[in-house]
Amino acid sequence: EAGVAQSPRYKIIEKRQSVAFWCNPISGHATLYWYQQILGQGPKLLIQFQNNGVVDDSQLPKDRFSAERLKGVDSTLKIQPAKLEDSAVYLCASSPLQGQNYGYTFGSGTRLTVV
Amino acid sequence: GQQVMQIPQYQHVQEGEDFTTYCNSSTTLSNIQWYKQRPGGHPVFLIQLVKSGEVKKQKRLTFQFGEAKKNSSLHITATQTTDVGTYFCADRREAAGNKLTFGGGTRVLVKP
Repeated sequence: EAGVAQSPRYKIIEKRQSVAFWCNPISGHATLYWYQQILGQGPKLLIQFQNNGVVDDSQLPKDRFSAERLKGVDSTLKIQPAKLEDSAVYLCASSPLQGQNYGYTFGSGTRLTVV
Repeated sequence: GQQVMQIPQYQHVQEGEDFTTYCNSSTTLSNIQWYKQRPGGHPVFLIQLVKSGEVKKQKRLTFQFGEAKKNSSLHITATQTTDVGTYFCADRREAAGNKLTFGGGTRVLVKP
């Protein structure tokens, strides 16, 4: 089966610019997650979607970050304006319906560098 | 909020030796998942533990869930160079929409 697709693979922007990341989960996976992984740390959940609805966005810095999952399939995460501390790898993951004992499948991530 | 802590942060192991990494939580863990992330790669799911005291094995890897469900461990025997990477534990909370809270990871380096 195809994995979780993410693009772009790398992105370098200047602070105060905007950037968008795209994720296409595994076909049929209802739940989609965006994680931020700062170098040397564990992934931190930014937002979780169940189909096209938001389940948890408590750790999403809503003043600058936004995400959507139109039609319950692929998703975009946007940062506007970017700050230096946003430099990290942004990982998208998906899993089947809630309540089942599956691990998450992660994409290869987008490495963002803000200069 | 919940904190999931892993020790040690770094583990230098001689090829062929055994080692153990530990995962501890300030609150009772719901379900523990373990992931491996190779350098430059993304986390890859290894296993999930659900029951108190549960032990599962995958070849040279042995995973254990504490009796009180406040800790977990991963033991690797006869370490190989292919074991290099960062091992993360994560608490999966069904009551919170299957939210995964990751620990900081144990970075494993293998000396040939």
